[in-house]
Amino acid sequence: DQQVKQNSPSLSVQEGRISILNCDYTNSMFDYFLWYKKYPAEGPTFLISISSIKDKNEDGRFTVFLNKSAKHLSLHIVPSQPGDSAVYFCAARGNTGFQKLVFGTGTRLLVSP
Amino acid sequence: AAGVIQSPRHLIKEKRETATLKCYPIPRHDTVYWYQQGPGQDPQFLISFYEKMQSDKGSIPDRFSAQQFSDYHSELNMSSLELGDSALYFCASSTNSGQETQYFGPGTRLLVL
Repeated sequence: DQQVKQNSPSLSVQEGRISILNCDYTNSMFDYFLWYKKYPAEGPTFLISISSIKDKNEDGRFTVFLNKSAKHLSLHIVPSQPGDSAVYFCAARGNTGFQKLVFGTGTRLLVSP
Repeated sequence: AAGVIQSPRHLIKEKRETATLKCYPIPRHDTVYWYQQGPGQDPQFLISFYEKMQSDKGSIPDRFSAQQFSDYHSELNMSSLELGDSALYFCASSTNSGQETQYFGPGTRLLVL
């Protein structure tokens, strides 16, 4: 039972354009969400997070939007750069301490020059 | 900035052998999480520790055990290894504060032959 879903296994965009990665979740107990970027043979690198009390969080080129009623979040990367090419994982957790992260299946982003 | 350190980075074992994976969290992080990522899969939570006590348990086989030591490093002990244990094992650490972010190490790639 996949509680966090990333329905697009891959996404290709051109350098300078916007990349939009989507994530859906089913468990209404999740209220904190994170995006990680992962290169092959490396650990996930934290990018940005958002609490359920917000609907938007921005950090440089990265913006995460949360639609709690739709149980949907998205990561926007503007402008996209070739170095952004990686697998992006959406992760979710509850609001008490020590909560494990539940990951989506990942979206492979390819940014071409 | 110091990151999560994992050792070894690569490990090759035979079936029915044992393996020990080590994790050194970011300084001043007191919570450690272990995840397993099989080929083409998303990371799956195994177990976590806070202040040397197990704080949560996921889909960790009974053949596996783990502990956290007084210096907060953690070890994942795996016995009677099976072919299906071949995977990337990630350790993450966080502080015990509000909505703490988990920061991941580079992972240990275990291959069971």
